[in-house]
Amino acid sequence: SSELTQDPAVSVALGQTVRITCQGDSLRRYYASWYQQKPGQAPVLVMYGKNNRPSGIPDRFSGSGSGNTASLTITGAQAEDEADYYCNSRDSVGYQYVFGTGTKVTVL
Amino acid sequence: QVQLVESGGGVVQSGRSLRLSCTASGFSFSNYAMHWVRQAPGKGLEWVAFISYDGNSKYYIDSVKGRFTVSRDDSKNALYLQMNSLGAGDTAVYYCARGPPYYDSGSYLDYWGQGALVTVSS
Repeated sequence: SSELTQDPAVSVALGQTVRITCQGDSLRRYYASWYQQKPGQAPVLVMYGKNNRPSGIPDRFSGSGSGNTASLTITGAQAEDEADYYCNSRDSVGYQYVFGTGTKVTVL
Repeated sequence: QVQLVESGGGVVQSGRSLRLSCTASGFSFSNYAMHWVRQAPGKGLEWVAFISYDGNSKYYIDSVKGRFTVSRDDSKNALYLQMNSLGAGDTAVYYCARGPPYYDSGSYLDYWGQGALVTVSS
């Protein structure tokens, strides 16, 4: 099955920009979706498709992709953005799904 | 509003079975694909199973194939996960999550339940 690789942790100063990346062969064929998870809470969808934000997600979140890499960018990070972020996609064959390894975002 | 509520979690002995349920409300359940996702304590998210809106397509992660079965009862707005031959590696919080509607070819999970804890003891 496919794998999606993310950096384990990144930090960003309050109000600055941070990019979280997700790498995997399946991303050449399928879009990634992105999930934010805070401690003790269920994940929340923050980005999907080419660059689609669900209702209620601030526009400081944006998505992009190229080749085997998908990215989630937070422009003007806020304290409440501190969380774990996971990417997700179908696998290369399309019959299974896979989550990335997760990135812990710390807002300084 | 969309709500997903899991039930059926608990402590179960290794080798035994357990069935999780997920009751949906606030949307036309029969029009949507559904997923099960799990998270072991202190670990990341792991996709477990998918069922299409009509129940005709079911996919599983390799580690549960032959042991877990996903099903749905649209008359009850319910999703199920039958888990057999449970082992310590199945200990996790299990979430049900909504996939796209039948007319959307996307692969996102847009609403999640709060999760049900399954603990497999030896």
